[in-house]
Amino acid sequence: NAGVTQTPKFQVLKTGQSMTLQCAQDMNHEYMSWYRQDPGMGLRLIHYSVGAGITDQGEVPNGYNVSRSTTEDFPLRLLSAAPSQTSVYFCASSSTGGTGELFFGEGSRLTVL
Amino acid sequence: DAKTTQPTSMDCAEGRAANLPCNHSTISGNEYVYWYRQIHSQGPQYIIHGLKNNETNEMASLIITEDRKSSTLILPHATLRDTAVYYCIAHNYGQNFVFGPGTRLSVLP
Repeated sequence: NAGVTQTPKFQVLKTGQSMTLQCAQDMNHEYMSWYRQDPGMGLRLIHYSVGAGITDQGEVPNGYNVSRSTTEDFPLRLLSAAPSQTSVYFCASSSTGGTGELFFGEGSRLTVL
Repeated sequence: DAKTTQPTSMDCAEGRAANLPCNHSTISGNEYVYWYRQIHSQGPQYIIHGLKNNETNEMASLIITEDRKSSTLILPHATLRDTAVYYCIAHNYGQNFVFGPGTRLSVLP
């Protein structure tokens, strides 16, 4: 079972560059979300989606865009990377009709120089 | 979601029970208590959740006080692999999960 798959696992960017973090799940989950985690801190919600075509902002959305064209995929885009976006990014999904348990990917570690 | 309060860190001897407390004094009637853990830099992993009654699964037990203002996660026989950050979350179905800083549990040999 693949579960939630994130790519890439590691990425180094220069300030101002753009990139997309990919997230895919094979559990037919309606809900998907992106969190970031800075050293020694808990996870903060960036964006989330409750279904294809529906996205909304979380706690720290500035500097990030998302789209949800299919149930399986929920990419996170950084349009102009800044050093403050250096972090570990986690994608998560859940079934809205189930226990609400979140399934997480293994994370994508991003460094912006 | 109601705010939860957890100790910053705890130690536990290998093979002993690890009891992790969580205060959620403002929890509402339809909020569940969820526990997740994060081993090193991996993605968080679901452990258990409950509403009123005590719950047990293959990983842990969850004890919720009768007034629901606090709970305890119990790992009955802690191993070195249980060293992780443990997050207690008061969560309402349909809402987003809010993760605090959690408790860093160190299982010592």
